[in-house]
Amino acid sequence: GENVEQHPSTLSVQEGDSAVIKCTYSDSASNYFPWYKQELGKGPQLIIDIRSNVGEKKDQRIAVTLNKTAKHFSLHITETQPEDSAVYFCACGGGTSYDKVIFGPGTSLSVIP
Amino acid sequence: NAGVTQTPKFRVLKTGQSMTLLCAQDMNHEYMYWYRQDPGMGLRLIHYSVGEGTTAKGEVPDGYNVSRLKKQNFLLGLESAAPSQTSVYFCASSEMNTEAFFGQGTRLTVV
Repeated sequence: GENVEQHPSTLSVQEGDSAVIKCTYSDSASNYFPWYKQELGKGPQLIIDIRSNVGEKKDQRIAVTLNKTAKHFSLHITETQPEDSAVYFCACGGGTSYDKVIFGPGTSLSVIP
Repeated sequence: NAGVTQTPKFRVLKTGQSMTLLCAQDMNHEYMYWYRQDPGMGLRLIHYSVGEGTTAKGEVPDGYNVSRLKKQNFLLGLESAAPSQTSVYFCASSEMNTEAFFGQGTRLTVV
């Protein structure tokens, strides 16, 4: 089945700096790559997603890049703010296990004011 | 608009006891999922359903059972709870390979 790895597991940045989180996946047939943000005590919420026919997608301070050949994708957050502090999960879907989404282990991001 | 609602929010069980976690969604989604979240291990899929009357095993199905008798509800059962099942459980719903909407979670402790 699909295996999703995520790095780093923890990340601390100064307010205003950029943060980058990287994920790799094993199933070359995967075609849906969402990113979720989880705040303390809450369920994860989608912040951005990308499909395999697109190499990059942006939404204000957040961007995701996808390299299907290398089977990795990354989340980029620019001009970080304290409210960006949370746990971020990457996920993969649409591969040979087409009907489910598999999550990475998560990255705990701390933005230091 | 409630979205995805999980009950209960907290529960303490003794080893060997049984319980059922209820998930309800009001978005008419076909797909529903149960995940467990443990420190450092992310969200692991327990069971899922692609429509009313269907269920399938995820990554960590042992010790759990599920039922989807109605489209809007997805039940997760623990027949004989074990301390290893202490975790936070999340339900989610979606259409295939689209945004998943999560509930607020159920914190279960098995002593």
